[in-house]
Amino acid sequence: EVQLLESGGGLVQPGGSLRLSCAASGFTFGSYAMTWVRQAPGKGLECVSAISASGSTTYYTASVRGRFTISRDNSKNTLYLEMNSLRAEDTAVYYCANGAYSDHPHYSDSWGQGTLVTVSS
Amino acid sequence: DIVMTQSPDSLPLSLGERATINCRSSQSVLSGSNNEIYLAWYQQKPGQPPRLIIYWASTRASGVPDRFSGSGSGTDFTLTISSLQAEDVAVYYCQQYWYFPYTFGQGTKLEI
Repeated sequence: EVQLLESGGGLVQPGGSLRLSCAASGFTFGSYAMTWVRQAPGKGLECVSAISASGSTTYYTASVRGRFTISRDNSKNTLYLEMNSLRAEDTAVYYCANGAYSDHPHYSDSWGQGTLVTVSS
Repeated sequence: DIVMTQSPDSLPLSLGERATINCRSSQSVLSGSNNEIYLAWYQQKPGQPPRLIIYWASTRASGVPDRFSGSGSGTDFTLTISSLQAEDVAVYYCQQYWYFPYTFGQGTKLEI
């Protein structure tokens, strides 16, 4: 059974930093691209970042480019999202989701339960 | 970015009725090289993560009942639930994965 477990969320002041982690199990982690998708309270879904299976290619939506860094450690079956210069509009539940392919995630058939990031003073 | 627009925003129906949710993309998500449509549908219930329902516009994900079906062309897509069950109450999102950033529609809330 595929399991994705996010951690690292919490309350942070504007301009602060957080590092999210996603521990994966139940599938060959190093063979699949991965994504981070966020959902602001009461709002829709936004794909924030993605990374290829090898980690050599990364993707970011414009609003986080230069502030967020996605990475992975295939030896630890773990996905990361380093978030810097956080803004109030980054407040959301952050989901880790697997991709269906190695180079590009395309669709995601497994999702974690999410971790809440709150940016507020 | 590709803009995905769903209609309606809310869909009140009765048990056993047919549900039709529409999604339109601001540009084609049909690949000319492999003839695939880069479109997925997700179901999200309160307090839960999204669940994949349909991918490649019309392929049902594993474990999804056959009352769910997807169809569409390069820019216009439809999710149909043939006979609404109580457990289908949720918000449904379409998503294009033609190129990054993958973008979602605003969601359609299916109510009974």
